[in-house]
Amino acid sequence: DAGVIQSPRHEVTEMGQEVTLRCKPISGHDYLFWYRQTMMRGLELLIYFNNNVPIDDSGMPEDRFSAKMPNASFSTLKIQPSEPRDSAVYFCASSLAEGQPQHFGDGTRLSIL
Amino acid sequence: SQQGEEDPQALSIQEGENATMNCSYKTSINNLQWYRQNSGRGLVHLILIRSNEREKHSGRLRVTLDTSKKSSSLLITASRAADTASYFCATMGNDMRFGAGTRLTVKP
Repeated sequence: DAGVIQSPRHEVTEMGQEVTLRCKPISGHDYLFWYRQTMMRGLELLIYFNNNVPIDDSGMPEDRFSAKMPNASFSTLKIQPSEPRDSAVYFCASSLAEGQPQHFGDGTRLSIL
Repeated sequence: SQQGEEDPQALSIQEGENATMNCSYKTSINNLQWYRQNSGRGLVHLILIRSNEREKHSGRLRVTLDTSKKSSSLLITASRAADTASYFCATMGNDMRFGAGTRLTVKP
């Protein structure tokens, strides 16, 4: 079975540009999570969805961040405009049900210059 | 402060030794999970222990949970160089939080 697939694996862009990160969860998983990982702040939950509906977006740092899940097999995390402090590794994860083990993608390493 | 705090932050041992990592948390939980992260990769789920369980085993892994002390421990027995990774605990309840992790280095 394919795991969670994230793209791109690496993204380098200049400050002010729009960045779009993509995620394909495991088929049949009802929950999808977006995380950000940095050395300073560790792993932070940004937002999660249940059956394509955003449930908790309290971790989204600013209005510059937005996430969508138009269908059960695809989600995006968008940053517009991007800033250097957004540089981090962004992970997508999915799970069968709430509180159940999460399956992580290999992340997108984002560098904003 | 952050739910699910691991200690130590870093641990270095020789191959064949046992490694013990601890996790403390603050609020009530439904279950607690441990994950491993190899460098440059996503987290991988290792084991889940429910709030009504006290101990669980999976291969060389042993997890304990003490809900009265709000703490859990992960023991890796007979460690191998391939166990070198960061280990995170995650608490699942009204809140969902990952800890800061323990960086384990196993020297061959």
